[in-house]
Amino acid sequence: SQQGEEDPQALSIQEGENATMNCSYKTSINNLQWYRQNSGRGLVHLILIRSNEREKHSGRLRVTLDTSKKSSSLLITASRAADTASYFCATDADSNYQLIWGAGTKLIIKP
Amino acid sequence: DSGVTQTPKHLITATGQRVTLRCSPRSGDLSVYWYQQSLDQGLQFLIQYYNGEERAKGNILERFSAQQFPDLHSELNLSSLELGDSALYFCASSEGLAGYNEQFFGPGTRLTVL
Repeated sequence: SQQGEEDPQALSIQEGENATMNCSYKTSINNLQWYRQNSGRGLVHLILIRSNEREKHSGRLRVTLDTSKKSSSLLITASRAADTASYFCATDADSNYQLIWGAGTKLIIKP
Repeated sequence: DSGVTQTPKHLITATGQRVTLRCSPRSGDLSVYWYQQSLDQGLQFLIQYYNGEERAKGNILERFSAQQFPDLHSELNLSSLELGDSALYFCASSEGLAGYNEQFFGPGTRLTVL
């Protein structure tokens, strides 16, 4: 079942600009994770935010979580060409502890 | 390098055939997950094993099966292959159960069914 829905589906920005992606989900969660996938390659974990956290930083990444709105955002500051990738959110709402994945946001950074 | 290995990297086969995909998890990880990703699609969770036991099942077809061996490596068996089974198949591993642990993904096996 689709729990996370990323928005927008695709985003194209100039290098140096900030990129913001959003993820909405339907049921209560314990944790939300963001992953990056370069074209045709395996996913790479970026950040995990727990339900009792509101904001988390990692380098140029900033993740926020609003449990009242059941949404999360991923901000990439000062984007670089190497940030071109698809970004997925995943939640753990399922009782079997599997992650439920969104469809992803495709981010293109133009030089 | 995530530490998760998958073989083979590429597989080309014909409809009706059977193939086996292999995954070795990161050292120390007890959970193994299998995912299917069709062209430009999101991830479809197939199945999860934890320390040799099946723990969660997703959208896995009856023609597909998997197992995790005592040494913790896992195999995904796909039989009676159809054109629509062409996809990237990823294996991932984590230390414990999914929600509380990051998953480490292998490079994937690209399956082409002709």
